Amino acid sequence: GNSVTQMEGPVTLSEEAFLTINCTYTATGYPSLFWYVQYPGEGLQLLLKATKADDKGSNKGFEATYRKETTSFHLEKGSVQVSDSAVYFCALSDLVSSGSARQLTFGSGTQLTVLP
Amino acid sequence: NAGVTQTPKFQVLKTGQSMTLQCAQDMNHEYMSWYRQDPGMGLRLIHYSVGAGITDQGEVPNGYNVSRSTTEDFPLRLLSAAPSQTSVYFCASRGVGTEAFFGQGTRLTVV
Repeated sequence: GNSVTQMEGPVTLSEEAFLTINCTYTATGYPSLFWYVQYPGEGLQLLLKATKADDKGSNKGFEATYRKETTSFHLEKGSVQVSDSAVYFCALSDLVSSGSARQLTFGSGTQLTVLP
Repeated sequence: NAGVTQTPKFQVLKTGQSMTLQCAQDMNHEYMSWYRQDPGMGLRLIHYSVGAGITDQGEVPNGYNVSRSTTEDFPLRLLSAAPSQTSVYFCASRGVGTEAFFGQGTRLTVV
């Protein structure tokens, strides 16, 4: 079955530091890959996505590249801000066994805290 | 801009009680799902629906029922709550080719 493995947290950084959160996946088909962000007390929001190999998703200074050869989708940001403090989830979307829908499989989440 | 609306936001139940978590979306999405979020385990799929009248089980369906009588609504029922069902529950909806949109969650405690 499908699975997503994320770097365990929590991660604590100083403002303007470089961020990497590792994500690797296992999938039987050709999945789409996502990063979702969850701010305190809120639901998940899509941060970025990539739908095929070598695609780069980017948003709000965050980037991730779909690497099929290493089955990875690592999240990076060059200079984090206090407002980036949140939980980050890596996820993949693939056809369920019935072929009738694409469901999301999530990693366990990484808590990021950015200190001023 | 309602998106996905979940109610209630917080709930405390006694073991054995029943309740329904409500989820409604106004985006005319075909796909709706329920997840539970537990510490260190990410989100796990409970049940999902690909359209009105069609539902199926996800990864952790035991103890939960769902129905989808309309495109807009996808309620989750706990028939006899257990402490193991203490969790944060998220409803999500997706259209064809779109991202998943999540509600703000329901924090459920079963004592």
